Amino acid sequence: KNQVEQSPQSLIILEGKNCTLQCNYTVSPFSNLRWYKQDTGRGPVSLTIMTFSENTKSNGRYTATLDADTKQSSLHITASQLSDSASYICVVTGKTGANNLFFGTGTRLTVIP
Amino acid sequence: GAVVSQHPSRVICKSGTSVKIECRSLDFQATTMFWYRQFPKQSLMLMATSNEGSKATYEQGVEKDKFLINHASLTLSTLTVTSAHPEDSSFYICSARMGDQPQHFGDGTRLSIL
Repeated sequence: KNQVEQSPQSLIILEGKNCTLQCNYTVSPFSNLRWYKQDTGRGPVSLTIMTFSENTKSNGRYTATLDADTKQSSLHITASQLSDSASYICVVTGKTGANNLFFGTGTRLTVIP
Repeated sequence: GAVVSQHPSRVICKSGTSVKIECRSLDFQATTMFWYRQFPKQSLMLMATSNEGSKATYEQGVEKDKFLINHASLTLSTLTVTSAHPEDSSFYICSARMGDQPQHFGDGTRLSIL
């Protein structure tokens, strides 16, 4: 069964600190993995996209890693800011079918001053 | 970058009324549009997939007569929630893509049925 699991469900950190969010998936075949940021009451916005051959990708203070062998990904946020408070969703794209996106349940990050 | 506009952003209406939500791709032609529903603290759940000019494909458990989808042009899809009830209250999000390109999401519509 194609599944995407994220941990932790929620996280509270102090402003300026770093944090790492985890994503494990069982989707097969695999095309790519995206991390999205979803602010409350808004649609998801793509942060990074990684294909099978990519191990690390950065976008500013966001760094995503992918281990296609163990089917794990992480999103590392450096020097967190209050505006980083949001839900972070891991989305895995399979290769077949029109409905080929598999969503994780997200990690709710709260950055406090 | 690609922009998807969703309107309205928030709707509050009485039980029994029908509500129409629009999803527009502003700077690209969306051959496929998707409609999702998201309950609090949960992830997006795909409701239906629509291709321009053809009938939408609904996910299991989604009533096609309840959630009417029209994708009449390459830049516009609409979702109509017919005879809405309080249990239909949710956050509805559309996304659009051109060909095999990645999906781009709208900002969602918060629907509240009283």
